[in-house]
Parts: sequence; structure tokens; C-alpha cells
Amino acid sequence: SAVISQKPSRDICQRGTSLTIQCQVDSQVTMMFWYRQQPGQSLTLIATANQGSEATYESGFVIDKFPISRPNLTFSTLTVSNMSPEDSSIYLCSVARQGSSGKQYFGPGTRLTVT
Amino acid sequence: KQEVTQIPAALSVPEGENLVLNCSFTDSAIYNLQWFRQDPGKGLTSLLLIQSSQREQTSGRLNASLDKSSGRSTLYIAASQPGDSATYLCAVSWGNKLVFGAGTILRVKS
Repeated sequence: SAVISQKPSRDICQRGTSLTIQCQVDSQVTMMFWYRQQPGQSLTLIATANQGSEATYESGFVIDKFPISRPNLTFSTLTVSNMSPEDSSIYLCSVARQGSSGKQYFGPGTRLTVT
Repeated sequence: KQEVTQIPAALSVPEGENLVLNCSFTDSAIYNLQWFRQDPGKGLTSLLLIQSSQREQTSGRLNASLDKSSGRSTLYIAASQPGDSATYLCAVSWGNKLVFGAGTILRVKS
């Protein structure tokens, strides 16, 4: 398994500002992902965080709005830029190890409210 | 398009009942399928993972089956308890990417 922490656990932000969410894993992992869960909805993949290179974004998500960093095999950040109330969601980090049959483990999430 | 559907959207049962949650998916060329549990305000807990070559997995009172040819999976919960109350999410992997269903909200009444 993997122990994943996220900071902050929750935040209330004003529109037009940006928030950076951190994801820390207790051991090296191959894959790191960022998901969004809008109120009352299921999870949607935002992007795959690639170590040492640009993240791979899913359709509907762009780097200017959701810049991602992954400087090493245990840490990643997601920034939500120029926020609007529509960005109010839970943002979750997940990880997977090579050879783990694709099993993904999720962090506790960051609950973001934009006013 | 690769999609995952879960039925029912919500379920309320008395304690002690056995119950079945359903998940269906398009495109049978899956890599694996995972069942997760999500408690209010919390992250996801992985319950069971079924590889594409497997038919079922069991953990305690939980049993998950997979029928790739029909694009279906079921999660069977035996002897349900109030502590089982949560949202259950089915997620299918086509490669590294997980696609989630909308979930089934389960309430077990004592």
C-alpha cells in the first residue's frame, strides 16, 4: 500500500486567486494522478503527473488552468489558477506502482470552496 | 467512448441483508476494475481489484465478480452492517487511466 498526504485538507479562496495543493507519498511511486470531484459528482481525471516532464492532461483540462509539477518520485503539486466558483470541488491525488497490477491508492483529498 | 455506469444510484437496506451493487462498462478491453468506498468528506478506500484475466475477488464479507464479455461487474456485500454505509464507486482501467462510475450511495439501517 501507500500512505498519501495532501495539503491543505481544505481551503476557502476568493475568485481570481490561485491555490497550490501538495501531494506527498511515503515511498517512491511510478505514477501520480490528479482527480477532481465536483459536488454530487464522481471523480474525473485531470492529468497524469510525469516525473521530470510536463503532465499529460485529459480532454477539457489545460495546463494554464491546472499547472502540475512533479519534481521527484514522491511529491507532486496541482495549482488551480484564476479560480471561479465552478472550481469548488474536492481535488484528489492518487498513486500507482509499477508491477502493482495497476492498483491505485488515493489521498484524503483537498476540499476547495471558491467564493 | 469509455464509460462506466452504476446501478442503483442509491440503496437503503435493513441491517443483516445481503446486497448487490452493479457496475457496467463499455469496451471490454479493460486492464482491471476496482471497487472503492468513499465516506462523507473523506478520500477513497480501495476495496477490491480484479484483473482482466480474473473472474472474482473476495475480501471478508465482500465479493466482486467480473464478466468482461458482457461488460459487467457486481459487488456483493454479505450480512450488511450500519458501518457499511458509504458511497461505493466502481472504476475501470483501460491502461493507466481510471474511469469512475457515478457511485451507489448505500445506507444500512440498524
